Amino acid sequence: NAGVTQTPKFQVLKTGQSMTLQCAQDMNHNSMYWYRQDPGMGLRLIYYSASEGTTDKGEVPNGYNVSRLNKREFSLRLESAAPSQTSVYFCASSEGTGNTGELFFGEGSRLTVL
Amino acid sequence: GENVEQHPSTLSVQEGDSAVIKCTYSDSASNYFPWYKQELGKGPQLIIDIRSNVGEKKDQRIAVTLNKTAKHFSLHITETQPEDSAVYFCAASIGTGRRALTFGSGTRLQVQP
Repeated sequence: NAGVTQTPKFQVLKTGQSMTLQCAQDMNHNSMYWYRQDPGMGLRLIYYSASEGTTDKGEVPNGYNVSRLNKREFSLRLESAAPSQTSVYFCASSEGTGNTGELFFGEGSRLTVL
Repeated sequence: GENVEQHPSTLSVQEGDSAVIKCTYSDSASNYFPWYKQELGKGPQLIIDIRSNVGEKKDQRIAVTLNKTAKHFSLHITETQPEDSAVYFCAASIGTGRRALTFGSGTRLQVQP
């Protein structure tokens, strides 16, 4: 079992460029999440998907779009990257559709926007 | 929405000493309080959690206490070891609807050998 796999692990973009972060889980989990981690600010939820075909905004959704392609995959897209989006991005999954179960995180994707 | 505050931001202890990290939350409806450990270059990993119907939970050297009246909960690590060095995050959730966890800002724990 690979768990939660994120690609790429590192990426440098110029302001205005677009990119997609990919995430896949092999645990047959229903819910998937995208968080960003910034120094001193913990983990902030960008978007989540409680089940295949549904997505909802989290705390900081502006500038991002997501797609729940199927039960395994949940992608995060930056249409026009800004320096404020420099961060470490974590994808996570959980078995249930509620929010009281264990989150399983990927190893993170470090994004730098110049 | 929920707001979770975590203190201290950094903590340095000697090997064998105890470490305590404290969190407060704002939403009295919160009923699930997990703690995650993040090692360097990795994603966070759940180490212990507590639900609002209990006041304390232990797992070997780790314990979590919850005071619902005061809306705070704490992580206690006894007999610390160098491998406990990591960033620790508390979180809170109201457990209903589809809102996800709200995390604290993290505590960097350094255990000095």
